[in-house]
Amino acid sequence: DAGVIQSPRHEVTEMGQEVTLRCKPISGHNSLFWYRQTMMRGLELLIYFNNNVPIDDSGMPEDRFSAKMPNASFSTLKIQPSEPRDSAVYFCASSSQRPIGAEAFFGQGTRLTVV
Amino acid sequence: DQQVKQNSPSLSVQEGRISILNCDYTNSMFDYFLWYKKYPAEGPTFLISISSIKDKNEDGRFTVFLNKSAKHLSLHIVPSQPGDSAVYFCAASGGGYQKVTFGTGTKLQVIP
Repeated sequence: DAGVIQSPRHEVTEMGQEVTLRCKPISGHNSLFWYRQTMMRGLELLIYFNNNVPIDDSGMPEDRFSAKMPNASFSTLKIQPSEPRDSAVYFCASSSQRPIGAEAFFGQGTRLTVV
Repeated sequence: DQQVKQNSPSLSVQEGRISILNCDYTNSMFDYFLWYKKYPAEGPTFLISISSIKDKNEDGRFTVFLNKSAKHLSLHIVPSQPGDSAVYFCAASGGGYQKVTFGTGTKLQVIP
């Protein structure tokens, strides 16, 4: 298996533009997570899907952030409009373990820079 | 409110010596703890875990110790190798949802 695949690896965009990050989880995993990594807060869970259904989006910072999982093999995280403070590395992870998210497999991340 | 705290942002250790990475947590509902390792430009990878019913779990050179009364866990790496140089994240979960909460990470440098 190729692991969790994220695209793009790097994204530079201007403030106010829409940004879409993409993720393909590991086949057979029923849980998918979007995380954001910053120096100050470490890895923050933004949203968690189980069997394609959003279970907990309490970590989504603002209404500018939205996530979808139309099927078991694809998820998107969208920021609209983007702001400089959204600059971070965004990780997607998938898991089939309990507790939820334990021993999750992470993608390589998308480094987002908003200028 | 940071429920999982890694107070040392960085640590340097000589090759062959022991590396000790520390982690404190505040949520008494946490009952499962994990360590992840992250190299630059890569995603975190799972390293080792421990359930609250244990106080120690060992996997090769890596041992995690849990002190529930102190709400403290540590990761010991013996002997440390240059390839262990990475950022180490402590994580915890517990309660009904069992969502995993991560710390801010400790950057370990093993000096040859």
